[in-house]
Amino acid sequence: KQEVTQIPAALSVPEGENLVLNCSFTDSAIYNLQWFRQDPGKGLTSLLLIQSSQREQTSGRLNASLDKSSGRSTLYIAASQPGDSATYLCAVRPVNQGGKLIFGQGTELSVKP
Amino acid sequence: SAVISQKPSRDICQRGTSLTIQCQVDSQVTMMFWYRQQPGQSLTLIATANQGSEATYESGFVIDKFPISRPNLTFSTLTVSNMSPEDSSIYLCSARREPGELFFGEGSRLTVL
Repeated sequence: KQEVTQIPAALSVPEGENLVLNCSFTDSAIYNLQWFRQDPGKGLTSLLLIQSSQREQTSGRLNASLDKSSGRSTLYIAASQPGDSATYLCAVRPVNQGGKLIFGQGTELSVKP
Repeated sequence: SAVISQKPSRDICQRGTSLTIQCQVDSQVTMMFWYRQQPGQSLTLIATANQGSEATYESGFVIDKFPISRPNLTFSTLTVSNMSPEDSSIYLCSARREPGELFFGEGSRLTVL
């Protein structure tokens, strides 16, 4: 059974710092991995999608990496800003499971001015 | 990308009543899903909404409690039946146009008294 774990559960950093969020998954049989952002009381915003054949994806100050064989992904946020404060969720799409995503518990990020 | 609209965005309901949540996507999609996010928790898949046929439910979720319709490629509804306070959650509609990202609506926050 696929399980997704995110570490740390919460993180507080001063503005301007670079930071890394970690995601691990137990079964490497995945189609892709997706990172989301969720603001309090809101839906999820897709940040980056990494296909299983890819090693990384970049969007602006965000860079996500994928090491499928070791079951790990990282989300790197450069030059953090208070507006980056949110919960970041990692999710994997397992092979042969009808297209659903399995989510981690999320990392709650707070960027202090 | 796809824009997903959900109605209602929030509601306060009485125990024992039922509420139907509507999800409209701005373009045709291959897959639609309904997730639940209980307070302080990550997302759990309720079911895959199948066009023109019965939804595929995850373990722990049943059609009598969460009937789902998907009459076409852009619209789905989720009904939460005979509600109890334990059903207080955010219910999120999501959609994918293969082989891309999964997109989410803003969610429907239900409070059951």
